[in-house]
Amino acid sequence: EAEVAQSPRYKITEKSQAVAFWCDPISGHATLYWYRQILGQGPELLVQFQDESVVDDSQLPKDRFSAERLKGVDSTLKIQPAELGDSAMYLCASSPGAGFYNEQFFGPGTRLTVL
Amino acid sequence: GENVEQHPSTLSVQEGDSAVIKCTYSDSASNYFPWYKQELGKGPQLIIDIRSNVGEKKDQRIAVTLNKTAKHFSLHITETQPEDSAVYFCAAYSGAGSYQLTFGKGTKLSVIP
Repeated sequence: EAEVAQSPRYKITEKSQAVAFWCDPISGHATLYWYRQILGQGPELLVQFQDESVVDDSQLPKDRFSAERLKGVDSTLKIQPAELGDSAMYLCASSPGAGFYNEQFFGPGTRLTVL
Repeated sequence: GENVEQHPSTLSVQEGDSAVIKCTYSDSASNYFPWYKQELGKGPQLIIDIRSNVGEKKDQRIAVTLNKTAKHFSLHITETQPEDSAVYFCAAYSGAGSYQLTFGKGTKLSVIP
C-alpha cells in the first residue's frame, strides 16, 4: 500500500539553528500539503503545492519558514532560525488533486523539539 | 475564516458502548466535513466524510450526521472496540475563499475493555 514518507521522524535542535524536513508523497499525487500540529490541537495548514507551484502559503511564517517542491514530486520544509514556539509535529499530506473531492493521505510526521 | 469547535476533548467508554463526538463550524459556506482518526505515532487517517447535500452517512459501525441549519456535525461509533482508542479530529472544508481544511482540536477516545 502506497504511503507518504517523511524524514526524519524526530528532530531535536537548539533555538536559532536551521532545520529541514523532507516529504515524499504518494506517487502520482499532484497536491502536497505541509501542516503543523501543536500538541493537543488539530493540524493547521502551512503551505499547499499543486505540482511545483505554491497554491496557498498564507499561514506560512515566511520570515523563518520556507518550502519548496522543485520537480513537483518530493518537498522540503525549512525553518531558519528555529524558535522555541516551533516545537510541534510537522505533517505532510498528499492527494491526487486539489479540492475536497480528493482524500488527503498523511505521513507519520516529524516531531520537532526546539531547546 | 472558518472556526471548528470539537467536544468533548476526552471520552472514555466501556467496550461495546457507543461514542459520540460533536463539532460545530462557523462558515456557512463550508460544504465538506471529514473525520480523521490519529493513532499514536501516526498521521491522521480519513475514516468517514459527509458532504453538505447529505444529512447522514454510515459505514459499518461508524456514522456521521450533519445539521446545516445549526452548523454542527457528529461522529457516532457503535459497539466500540479497544482498537477504536485514538484521537479523532473533525474538519470542515470551505469552497469559498480559503480552499483548505480547518480541523477541530481533537477528541481522545479511550475504550475500556
